[in-house]
Amino acid sequence: DTGVSQNPRHKITKRGQNVTFRCDPISEHNRLYWYRQTLGQGPEFLTYFQNEAQLEKSRLLSDRFSAERPKGSFSTLEIQRTEQGDSAMYLCASSLGQGIYDEQFFGPGTRLTVL
Amino acid sequence: KNQVEQSPQSLIILEGKNCTLQCNYTVSPFSNLRWYKQDTGRGPVSLTIMTFSENTKSNGRYTATLDADTKQSSLHITASQLSDSASYICVVSARQDSSYKLIFGSGTRLLVRP
Repeated sequence: DTGVSQNPRHKITKRGQNVTFRCDPISEHNRLYWYRQTLGQGPEFLTYFQNEAQLEKSRLLSDRFSAERPKGSFSTLEIQRTEQGDSAMYLCASSLGQGIYDEQFFGPGTRLTVL
Repeated sequence: KNQVEQSPQSLIILEGKNCTLQCNYTVSPFSNLRWYKQDTGRGPVSLTIMTFSENTKSNGRYTATLDADTKQSSLHITASQLSDSASYICVVSARQDSSYKLIFGSGTRLLVRP
């Protein structure tokens, strides 16, 4: 399978715990994006990387959130001291980063439930 | 403020029937408009992408239209199938410095019943 993969698919944690999600983009894609999606809503942009550089972060990305893409390949999203409001689907997408038709391909998402 | 609004929020139709989903946007500067299909518990999958110079684009039983003057788009599904049950998300791309930012609508949840 050469699509975007995310692990784990589901995560249940207790409030206050730290969680880390992983995203493996399509291999030749330079750009990697993280989104958060709550029930009945469209995805909301969190952050994106051009290779290993994190170029933009949304105001939604509080200090408890950190994302890395150390070698320009896979990326991790860590949430520290989770809160119930963090419960959502976390989507990763990747793209070539070229032109106006720069299509983003989404992974299956990681569903986080904070108890 | 850049916004994408979709209607209806949800829709139930019988298998074999046609339906049309609507999208209105206030996004500037506009780059392109996309329709995505998102199955429950899955990531969105692209159906169509249109720039302002394209007013219609088809992908099988899916036909998207774009009116850049009125800033409206529609997604028409012909001869619906049970597998069409999903959320359909309208996404508008806005040029931002040297990159493009995607603004997502909330989606229309479609249920196709036998």
